[in-house]
Amino acid sequence: AQTVTQSQPEMSVQEAETVTLSCTYDTSESDYYLFWYKQPPSRQMILVIRQEAYKQQNATENRFSVNFQKAAKSFSLKISDSQLGDAAMYFCASPGASYPTGGPPRGRDDKIIFGKGTRLHILP
Amino acid sequence: GAVVSQHPSRVICKSGTSVKIECRSLDFQATTMFWYRQFPKQSLMLMATSNEGSKATYEQGVEKDKFLINHASLTLSTLTVTSAHPEDSSFYICSVPDPTDTQYFGPGTRLTVL
Repeated sequence: AQTVTQSQPEMSVQEAETVTLSCTYDTSESDYYLFWYKQPPSRQMILVIRQEAYKQQNATENRFSVNFQKAAKSFSLKISDSQLGDAAMYFCASPGASYPTGGPPRGRDDKIIFGKGTRLHILP
Repeated sequence: GAVVSQHPSRVICKSGTSVKIECRSLDFQATTMFWYRQFPKQSLMLMATSNEGSKATYEQGVEKDKFLINHASLTLSTLTVTSAHPEDSSFYICSVPDPTDTQYFGPGTRLTVL
């Protein structure tokens, strides 16, 4: 069975500093997407960043970037210049779909597996 | 990102009654939608996959007769909690996948069963 592991239940970072949240996953697939979602106190799940596993380049979205190590099945999230609004629960997610090799994932309507989450506190 | 709505946002009901929660995809049609529940300070647990035009697929341990799912159209899925009991009190969230399997989530429904 596929699993997603977030080993840090809670983390704290000083405002304006950088923090890295770790995630490892287990899949037998060769092409897939990985996701980081944020859940603030409102409980609305918000997509932070997405990584396509067949791409070597790490995804970046403004202050958010990932360190994707496919062989190690590691997918960490780095938040630079942390802001008070970044305080939330962060979930790493891996889908269960498989895709044909040799090209970009076509995407299928398949389920997502979430890690247990990391609660991030921002210290002013 | 895509917009997904859920209604109601909060509901309080008496034990033994049924509650219906609606999930709407406002930006694109979806043949599949997902229903999750989330207990306080825990992760999202997938309950079932809602399939347009066919039966829902339930995860292991989820009672299909208790959590009825109807995918009425390409933009609407409903979850009905039948004969609700206090242990069904939870936060229920739906999601809609885009063609890349990126899931967009509704704002959630907080169910309290008295």
